[in-house]
Amino acid sequence: DAKTTQPTSMDCAEGRAANLPCNHSTISGNEYVYWYRQIHSQGPQYIIHGLKNNETNEMASLIITEDRKSSTLILPHATLRDTAVYYCIVRPPVAGGGADGLTFGKGTHLIIQP
Amino acid sequence: DAGVIQSPRHEVTEMGQEVTLRCKPISGHDYLFWYRQTMMRGLELLIYFNNNVPIDDSGMPEDRFSAKMPNASFSTLKIQPSEPRDSAVYFCASSPDPYEQYFGPGTRLTVT
Repeated sequence: DAKTTQPTSMDCAEGRAANLPCNHSTISGNEYVYWYRQIHSQGPQYIIHGLKNNETNEMASLIITEDRKSSTLILPHATLRDTAVYYCIVRPPVAGGGADGLTFGKGTHLIIQP
Repeated sequence: DAGVIQSPRHEVTEMGQEVTLRCKPISGHDYLFWYRQTMMRGLELLIYFNNNVPIDDSGMPEDRFSAKMPNASFSTLKIQPSEPRDSAVYFCASSPDPYEQYFGPGTRLTVT
């Protein structure tokens, strides 16, 4: 799996957009970008994933650069409950369309300030 | 849906004792994963199952660890004998597809 690089920590004011960057310069053509987060004392939570196109769901938007070497997760209106560790994960699809385990790095500790 | 259910939520045991962690995945999910989280090593995949069959157990630390999935609604992770270095939070996750994994609340294990 491609290696990812994320800042160790970030602050964001409540109500503002939180933009979390992730570098994955060695990503392969068939590897997806996933984002999960882990709120303190809870299990990780899936946020979003994408391959080439930008993606949006009810939680966040994922912007992937054209060369796919980096991406940004955007939380449009951050709240205090968004304080968590955010993990960017790059992994290829599993042969046969199945699933396999996730490899978590250290992630970014996002702190939403009131 | 109740989500992934894990029990117990907290377990304190003495070194040498057997520990059994339990997981009930979300109904209809074909994949089940066991992860371990420590401050030193972060989140690590231990083993995962597809349709109750173990697919990859390369993350299991050693023979003291074993996992079973006797049916689609239940899995166990057993440590025998337990050691202090096994202290961690153990997460179970289930997945219906290759993309989203749904994690349980975890079991915090302390081995003294």
